[in-house]
Amino acid sequence: AQSVTQPDIHITVSEGASLELRCNYSYGATPYLFWYVQSPGQGLQLLLKYFSGDTLVQGIKGFEAEFKRSQSSFNLRKPSVHWSDAAEYFCAGIPMNSGGYQKVTFGTGTKLQVIP
Amino acid sequence: DAGVTQSPTHLIKTRGQQVTLRCSPKSGHDTVSWYQQALGQGPQFIFQYYEEEERQRGNFPDRFSGHQFPNYSSELNVNALLLGDSALYLCASSSERGGLYNEQFFGPGTRLTVL
Repeated sequence: AQSVTQPDIHITVSEGASLELRCNYSYGATPYLFWYVQSPGQGLQLLLKYFSGDTLVQGIKGFEAEFKRSQSSFNLRKPSVHWSDAAEYFCAGIPMNSGGYQKVTFGTGTKLQVIP
Repeated sequence: DAGVTQSPTHLIKTRGQQVTLRCSPKSGHDTVSWYQQALGQGPQFIFQYYEEEERQRGNFPDRFSGHQFPNYSSELNVNALLLGDSALYLCASSSERGGLYNEQFFGPGTRLTVL
């Protein structure tokens, strides 16, 4: 079955420290991959997406993600975390050429806590 | 420029009742999608509306139906509510001009509680 797994339910980092959030996918072929952020009381915001090409993807708010086919991973990174990054982060995948978002699968999310 | 707006913010219903949730898309957007996000889970795609027609549908029963109006706003209707329908319902809008995978902009959601 097609799936996206986020192994870490909750992560705590110190402000200014680096961050890596893990995402693993299981699809027959390379899917389209996304990272979203959800702050309390707000909807999801797209951070970045990977469809093809360069495996290192730059996003908004200083985030980047690296697609690694050999590891079936699409981990999200940020070199220096700010207190405002505290939120829940979702990885999502869509089978290539599936015709839209109807087959999107989201992971269960990783809640990021940032401590001073 | 207002983003995606949803109403109401919170709603409490009892089993068997019917509910209608509303969404106004971001200015310039013509496509609206609805998602269900249960507690502790990621969102699940319910369906998408474009040109007042349901274009795509996820794995949800017919109790879930929708509508899109000429001004692109949309409603989600759920009949015969079950306890398991308790969730945050998210609306997302996008522009068809950007293609099927164009970025979706999400509203803050409607929290539905079924007692």
